[in-house]
Parts: sequence; structure tokens; C-alpha cells
Amino acid sequence: NAGVTQTPKFQVLKTGQSMTLQCAQDMNHEYMSWYRQDPGMGLRLIHYSVGAGITDQGEVPNGYNVSRSTTEDFPLRLLSAAPSQTSVYFCASSRLAGGFSSYNEQFFGPGTRLTVL
Amino acid sequence: EDKVVQSPLSLVVHEGDTVTLNCSYEVTNFRSLLWYKQEKKAPTFLFMLTSSGIEKKSGRLSSILDKKELFSILNITATQTGDSAIYLCAVIYTGNTGKLIFGQGTTLQVKP
Repeated sequence: NAGVTQTPKFQVLKTGQSMTLQCAQDMNHEYMSWYRQDPGMGLRLIHYSVGAGITDQGEVPNGYNVSRSTTEDFPLRLLSAAPSQTSVYFCASSRLAGGFSSYNEQFFGPGTRLTVL
Repeated sequence: EDKVVQSPLSLVVHEGDTVTLNCSYEVTNFRSLLWYKQEKKAPTFLFMLTSSGIEKKSGRLSSILDKKELFSILNITATQTGDSAIYLCAVIYTGNTGKLIFGQGTTLQVKP
């Protein structure tokens, strides 16, 4: 299994450009999410999905769109990039949570480092 | 607004020292608290804590949760340079999702 894959690894954009960060997983996980990580800010949840066709906003959704047409793929779209979106982006997936004491570990992709000039 | 706050934000120690990292939370639908270690790339899972007062241990790392005072600590004894990393705590919500909210992280540097 490849686990969680993200492409590209690095990207430089100009302000106003659009792009899509790709995320795919081959573990048949229902739950997928996108985080951004900035120095001193931890990981902040952008959007998440509990299954194909179902998405919801996280803590910092503005400026980002997502869709989930298949279980495997969860792309993140920047419609008009801004310098404030310079960050490292992580995609993660897991099974949906089970019983109260169970935890379905989140598997993280390797990250995409995005710079917006 | 739900939040998870970690302290200190950064810490420099020498090999052999013991460190304590703190994580406090204010979350309306708390289920469990998680600790992760992040080296150069993606976070890796360390512990999940759901019940108060039950210590989880893995080698030189241990962690405990206090649900009355709404905090958790992560202890690392006899630190080594390989412990240098960002340590993240996160809270998982109740309900049938995997949604997490993370703290800011504590950057630990262990000097030889």
C-alpha cells in the first residue's frame, strides 16, 4: 500500500493564480482531511470529509474548496492564491471513529510546501 | 470557540534532562486527547488518552490526562538528541468522525 500520497511536494505560485493540491489514499478510509501548518500554529483543520459526497469546513476554510467524488481522492483547491496561504499542507485519512475507547489512527501524507509570492 | 493550548512553545534542554510538556483544552465535545511527534515530515502518533488518571507509557515517554482540570502532560525522561522534534497535542471530538483540533505544538531541542 502506498498509504497517503500528496502531489506536488513543492509549489510556488503568484498571487491570484489557482491550483489544486492532490491527495489520495489506498486504505479505503472514510475520513479524509486537510490541514495547514504554520510556524507556532500547530496544524489547523481546513476541510474534512467523512465519505464520498460529504464535506465540511474546519477551522480555517476561507480561500479553499474541496470535493470528494471518490473514497480515494480528496483534492484541495485554491481559487485565487494569496501570500497568506503560504504554508505546509498535510492531508490525512483514517477510518471513521469506532467505539468510545477506540481510536482509528490518522495517517498523514508527506506534505506539500506552498509558497505564494 | 474550541481551543487547545500547549506550553511552552519551545524548550531547549541537554541530553539526560527530564522534560514536561503541557496541553490544556477547552472543547465542548471532548472524546480523547492525542499526542503526536513531528520530526522533519508528517506527525506520528504517540498516545491516546481518554480516561483521567491513567498513565500511558512507551519507553521513556509517558502521558496522563486530567479531565477535571482539562489538561494533559507529556513527560520525557533521560532525553536524547533523537527526541528533538515538535510535539503536538490534539483533541478528538465525540461523534462518528475522526475530526481533530490541534494545539500550536512545543518545539523541543535536545543538545548533546
